[in-house]
This record gives sequence, structure tokens and C-alpha cells, in this order.
Amino acid sequence: QSVLTQPPSVSAAPGQKVTISCSGSSSNIGNNYVSWYQQLPGTAPKLLIYDNNKRPSGIPDRFSGSKSGTSATLGITGLQTGDEADYYCGTWDSSLSAEVFGGGTKLAVL
Amino acid sequence: QLQLQESGPGLVKPSETLSLTCTVSGGSIISSIYYWGWIRQPPGKGLEWIGNIFYSGSTYYNPSLKSRVTISIDTSKTQFSLKLSSVTAADTAVYYCARQGSSSAPINAFDIWGQGTMVTVSS
Repeated sequence: QSVLTQPPSVSAAPGQKVTISCSGSSSNIGNNYVSWYQQLPGTAPKLLIYDNNKRPSGIPDRFSGSKSGTSATLGITGLQTGDEADYYCGTWDSSLSAEVFGGGTKLAVL
Repeated sequence: QLQLQESGPGLVKPSETLSLTCTVSGGSIISSIYYWGWIRQPPGKGLEWIGNIFYSGSTYYNPSLKSRVTISIDTSKTQFSLKLSSVTAADTAVYYCARQGSSSAPINAFDIWGQGTMVTVSS
């Protein structure tokens, strides 16, 4: 059971938009920055979003992040088949004194 | 360009100690704004943070693993290491090393990852 809750899977058609939610509490998302990671099949996770809504160099603006209260959301527009991957949210949990991740969401581009 | 590479045995016997090393290349491991961490992923499951170390040797461990984990750093070799004792089948996972920016870093997240190494616990 992950500290952060994500939907197990989401799907959308190529070119469409999808959002992935990440729900937590005041001890984690509510008072700390959220990051998002993309894990393509058989590869290491890759940073997509940090500080709730910032993109590292090289990440296209099709990827966006937002946070409200104790929840965070990853948005992906203009879906491509190459976006099929697992997506994880992560943040610091002040009560646990640990970095925590969501259980991951598998994105299918149908 | 900074790169991280994990190395170590792919098979460990139950009750023994898992030992992995992460070699940092293309940059310095001595930094006042980055931590060096270990994250693992059991087959078909999500990510679990194991712990971090600062270049000074200060360590931060996941409370759920703290009694069994030791992370150390060798700045002369630009390496940091993980030891996990008394392993069981539940410790079977892909183990990743990663750089994590502190609040003072340009990116406050795990921004550079190694490719990962699979460790199986089995007799």
C-alpha cells in the first residue's frame, strides 16, 4: 500500500489529453514539492516534473504538473504512442521522514 | 555529462548481505547541493526509496529498512555503496542509484538515475 495514491491505469487516444492524479496528505503533498517520473518499459525512471510544475531541460511542454492542497496532477497533451509508460509521483513525507512514491499509473495510448 | 552505474552480484542467498556500488562518472560526487540515493523496484511493483547519503557522510534512511541498511561513500573513488543485511525473497528487486538535488539545487528531485541492476534473493 503506497502512501501516495494513483490510479492503476489510464488510457486515451493519440493526440488527446490525459491527466494522472496523485493523492496524499498534509504530511507529504500538502507541505512538500511533488515530482513526476516516467518509466518506459525496461528502463530507469526519468524525471518529468519537479517542484510541482517545473520541467527539466529537454522535457517537452506537452507535460505539465499542478498541485492543489493534498493532491497533484500530471497532464499530458498531444498523446503519442511513445508516451506509453508507467508514471510515478513522489515527494517527501515529513511524518515518515522518508521519500515516498505513488504506486504508479500505466498509461495506454490506444 | 554526469552518469551513474550500479554494480554488484545479481544473486544473493537468503539471510546474507546484499552489497551494491554506484560509480559516478563525468562529474564530482563532492557537492554541497546533491544527495546520492538508492531506490528499488520489486518485479512488477512500484518504487521504494531506500536512503540517501551526502558527500560528508551524513545518511538518511527509510525507517522501514533502517535496521538493515548501510549507505557509505568513497569520494576518492567517486562511488557510493549500499549494504542490505538479512535479505529475504522480498528484497528481490531492481536497485537504482540516483542523484537527488537538495532544496538548494537547481532541481530538487531525483534528476539523474543509473540504469538499474537486478538482484535476486534465492538459495
